[in-house]
Amino acid sequence: SQQGEEDPQALSIQEGENATMNCSYKTSINNLQWYRQNSGRGLVHLILIRSNEREKHSGRLRVTLDTSKKSSSLLITASRAADTASYFCATHFVTDSWGKLQFGAGTQVVVTP
Amino acid sequence: DVKVTQSSRYLVKRTGEKVFLECVQDMDHENMFWYRQDPGLGLRLIYFSYDVKMKEKGDIPEGYSVSREKKERFSLILESASTNQTSMYLCASRSSGETQYFGPGTRLLVL
Repeated sequence: SQQGEEDPQALSIQEGENATMNCSYKTSINNLQWYRQNSGRGLVHLILIRSNEREKHSGRLRVTLDTSKKSSSLLITASRAADTASYFCATHFVTDSWGKLQFGAGTQVVVTP
Repeated sequence: DVKVTQSSRYLVKRTGEKVFLECVQDMDHENMFWYRQDPGLGLRLIYFSYDVKMKEKGDIPEGYSVSREKKERFSLILESASTNQTSMYLCASRSSGETQYFGPGTRLLVL
């Protein structure tokens, strides 16, 4: 499967702490995206990083990409209870011309006050 | 804001029934997608459409069909629902950019 794999599967932290989750994939990509899903809802796009980029920031989010290791990480700094959600990485492979994404199984993050 | 709506949040059907899941987007997006989401498996692509009346199979099309008669509407059809199709179904749309915009999902229970 070309699907990305996320690590850890679950993460429990306290408010104010940082949360880091990782994503690995198997084949060359055009870009890698991170999405958030609140319980029982649809996914919301957070950030996109292209294959020629190494790091990207958006507010309290920091994403890194290492194409040599075929891996990415998402860091949420100074977490809040509202960050409690599942986080998914999604990859757009170079072999695809339709914009299809391959999603990982997700990391479930719980932030306790 | 892009809005993707799905016809039902929750649906309960009996085995063998024909089930229609509707998805509508209001941003004139070319591409639309249907996924199913199961615990531990993430999202898996069932079908996608890149234009009106055009469709392509995704990774798990068996037991499903789709219809796209109008640009804004993409329907997923379960011809004869089975218990292993109990799942969360997510619709998404995409324009020329890479981001996909998701609907709120339909949780389907097949008894």
